[in-house]
Amino acid sequence: KQEVTQIPAALSVPEGENLVLNCSFTDSAIYNLQWFRQDPGKGLTSLLLIQSSQREQTSGRLNASLDKSSGRSTLYIAASQPGDSATYLCAVNEGTSYGKLTFGQGTILTVHP
Amino acid sequence: DVKVTQSSRYLVKRTGEKVFLECVQDMDHENMFWYRQDPGLGLRLIYFSYDVKMKEKGDIPEGYSVSREKKERFSLILESASTNQTSMYLCASTRGREKLFFGSGTQLSVL
Repeated sequence: KQEVTQIPAALSVPEGENLVLNCSFTDSAIYNLQWFRQDPGKGLTSLLLIQSSQREQTSGRLNASLDKSSGRSTLYIAASQPGDSATYLCAVNEGTSYGKLTFGQGTILTVHP
Repeated sequence: DVKVTQSSRYLVKRTGEKVFLECVQDMDHENMFWYRQDPGLGLRLIYFSYDVKMKEKGDIPEGYSVSREKKERFSLILESASTNQTSMYLCASTRGREKLFFGSGTQLSVL
């Protein structure tokens, strides 16, 4: 059974720092991987989706990389801002046509001014 | 923009009540999902549906049922609510294996 682990569980950084969030998965036979953001008490918002054939995806200050063979993905946030404070979750799609995902537990990020 | 709408942000129900949680999406997605989210346990899949009237059990279907009579609407039913079903419920939809879109969630309290 696929297991997704995110390290660290929580991270606190000063504004302006570049930071990396980590995600690992046990079965490398994935179709794609998504990174989500969740604000307290809200739903999840998809940030980036990386196909298994891709190495990275970028959106603004966010860059996600994927190393499928080693079962790892990273989310890089450049020049962090207090508004980036949220929980970040990664999730893998193992290839079912239904879009069913397996989620990690998330990393709680706090960016302080 | 894709919109996934959950009918209630907060609900308070009594033990034993029948509870309906409604979810509507406006992007003609064939796949719809119900998750619950609890501190320390993360997101857990309850049920999903890949077409009208089609449903599949997720990881924790016990105590729940679902209904999908129209493509845009997916309902989660708690047949007899219990206190251990107090949770945040999240609906999501997608086309194929594309990005997953979530609603804003329903915080359900069962007293």
